[in-house]
Amino acid sequence: GEDVEQSLFLSVREGDSSVINCTYTDSSSTYLYWYKQEPGAGLQLLTYIFSNMDMKQDQRLTVLLNKKDKHLSLRIADTQTGDSAIYFCAEILKDDKIIFGKGTRLHILP
Amino acid sequence: GAVVSQHPSWVICKSGTSVKIECRSLDFQATTMFWYRQFPKQSLMLMATSNEGSKATYEQGVEKDKFLINHASLTLSTLTVTSAHPEDSSFYICSALFGLGGPTEETQYFGPGTRLLVL
Repeated sequence: GEDVEQSLFLSVREGDSSVINCTYTDSSSTYLYWYKQEPGAGLQLLTYIFSNMDMKQDQRLTVLLNKKDKHLSLRIADTQTGDSAIYFCAEILKDDKIIFGKGTRLHILP
Repeated sequence: GAVVSQHPSWVICKSGTSVKIECRSLDFQATTMFWYRQFPKQSLMLMATSNEGSKATYEQGVEKDKFLINHASLTLSTLTVTSAHPEDSSFYICSALFGLGGPTEETQYFGPGTRLLVL
């Protein structure tokens, strides 16, 4: 069935790069998304990648997609304390169904 | 794990009618729930934050008189699309915040979504 997996926790030192990984099972994905959840707040769209792309860069964010391995990653360069949040990976299938991962909690170390 | 349900999963209605969508946290209490809308081929957009016992907080551009939210209990939030029009046709997803360690420990659990088609 359809599933999106993420590791639950990641700790990174301030100033280092954070890499959050996600794997998905359904190869019919059209778009893949990264959302950010700050404490007590709803999801906010961070970035997305179309399924026929390999990479997308947006300021400090780089998304890499390996479609063969069904692996998606989000790299945050120069991680700041404001990046501390939960990051959700999501895929949208051809029928518009959206599948979420359980979220990766990013903790910033001083 | 925490489970969130939505009802109905599918609804078709005539233009001008109102539709109520329920979001329930089945095995935990949620003081905060969120309502999202997904347009075809697009990502989720946050519509509003629903807080138990108080008024919902709406995102900019979302009409609060059009999308009525009621969070009357710790396990139920409802979204009513009033006087629905075809442009309201969309996929509506709710989520509930759950965590035992305070706001920094909470994560969201998503409902399966409700697909609304307004004719």
